[in-house]
Amino acid sequence: QKEVEQDPGPLSVPEGAIVSLNCTYSNSAFQYFMWYRQYSRKGPELLMYTYSSGNKEDGRFTAQVDKSSKYISLFIRDSQPSDSATYLCATDHNTDKLIFGTGTRLQVFP
Amino acid sequence: ETGVTQSPTHLIKTRGQQVTLRCSSQSGHNTVSWYQQALGQGPQFIFQYYREEENGRGNFPPRFSGLQFPNYSSELNVNALELDDSALYLCASSLGQPTNEKLFFGSGTQLSVL
Repeated sequence: QKEVEQDPGPLSVPEGAIVSLNCTYSNSAFQYFMWYRQYSRKGPELLMYTYSSGNKEDGRFTAQVDKSSKYISLFIRDSQPSDSATYLCATDHNTDKLIFGTGTRLQVFP
Repeated sequence: ETGVTQSPTHLIKTRGQQVTLRCSSQSGHNTVSWYQQALGQGPQFIFQYYREEENGRGNFPPRFSGLQFPNYSSELNVNALELDDSALYLCASSLGQPTNEKLFFGSGTQLSVL
């Protein structure tokens, strides 16, 4: 079993839709959770960073962590074509490395 | 742009050869991490350097080695290249420890092994 599981998609939605991206993880010791956005031929860019359970909002983006079910989510409101990218969830392990999911490819069409 | 620069951007090698990839970290950052991202996969941690010392290593064989220089730039060396080493190699820099809250990634080096 992988430590972090993520549906690779692709996910295709119309402009303005609410997008829900999800990951599950296996180790209850994980404390820090991140979402990265990666455009084609670019490195990952940090979108959201959360510690333990709860919600965090930043503009159109909301990150949610449910430690009881080992489930993390990223919601994108009013999605735009510029949001088309691969979204990677990641968790922190002993502060010296990140463990990433496989990434979900999102396509927002006009 | 993150200020993390990697060179070269693309590289083609043949099996058995050796390769050196370079990374210049963001100004003021003293920690560099290297990740391997195979096609359709998430990045996998190779190792991290903090103030010129290795500070953690992932599940990669010894033919993957690295260096960090006094100016905090870094190199990743891979010996005896195998076909499965074909991937995007990402460098990320950060300031201090713990590091993972603010990792800044470069655009990567795309390595193809034929």
